[in-house]
Amino acid sequence: QSVLTQPPSVSGAPGQRVTISCTGSSSNIGAGFHVHWYQQLPGTAPQLLISGDTNRPSGVPDRFSGSKSGTSASLAITGLQAEDEADYYCQSYDSSLSLVVFGGGTKLTVL
Amino acid sequence: QVQLQQSGPGLVKSSGTLSLTCAVSGGSIISTNWWSWVRQPPGKGLEWIGEIYHGGSTNYNPSLKSRVSISVDKSKNQFSLKLSSVTAADTAVYYCARTAAAALDYWGQGTLVTASS
Repeated sequence: QSVLTQPPSVSGAPGQRVTISCTGSSSNIGAGFHVHWYQQLPGTAPQLLISGDTNRPSGVPDRFSGSKSGTSASLAITGLQAEDEADYYCQSYDSSLSLVVFGGGTKLTVL
Repeated sequence: QVQLQQSGPGLVKSSGTLSLTCAVSGGSIISTNWWSWVRQPPGKGLEWIGEIYHGGSTNYNPSLKSRVSISVDKSKNQFSLKLSSVTAADTAVYYCARTAAAALDYWGQGTLVTASS
C-alpha cells in the first residue's frame, strides 16, 4: 500500500484529455513538499515529466501539465496520443516517514 | 547531457550481497545534486532505496537501512549500491538516478537483479 494513492488505470481516446490524481496527506503533499511526475514506457526507465508540482523539463510537450491543491496533485494530459500509453508515477517526500515516496502508479491506455 | 551507466551482476545468491555501480558522464558527481538508487520489483511500482551526496552524506529508506550502503568514488565519478542478506523479495530492476531539487531528472538504464537460491 503506497503512501501516495493513484488510480490503477485510466483510459481515453486519441485527442481527449485525461487526468491522473495523486492523493497524499498532511505529512507529504499537504506539508508543502513538491510533487514530481514520471512517465515509464514499457521496458524502459522512468523519465521525469513534471518537476516541482508544475514545471515541465525541456523537451516535454506542453500537452502535459501538473497541479497541486491541499493534500492532492494531478497530472493532466491533453490531446491524447497513442505514444502516451505508459505507466505514470507521482513522487514526493514524507516527513513522518523520512522517506522519498512514490505513488503506486497509473496505467494509461489509449483506446 | 548527463548520462548514467549502470554495471553489476544480474544474479545474486540468496543471503549474499548485491553490488551495483553507476558511472556518471557528461557532468561531475561533485555538484549540488544528490545521487539516488530506486528499485522496481517485476510488475510492481517504484521504491526509493537511498541517496548520497558527493561529500559522503547519505539518506536511506528506513525499511532497508540495516542492509543498505551507498558510497561515492569521486576519482571515478561514480557511486555504488550494496544490499546485504538478499532474499527473493529483493529481486527487482535497480535504477540509479540524479536528484535535482528532489526530482529524479536523469536515470540509468536499469539492471534486473535476481536473487536465487
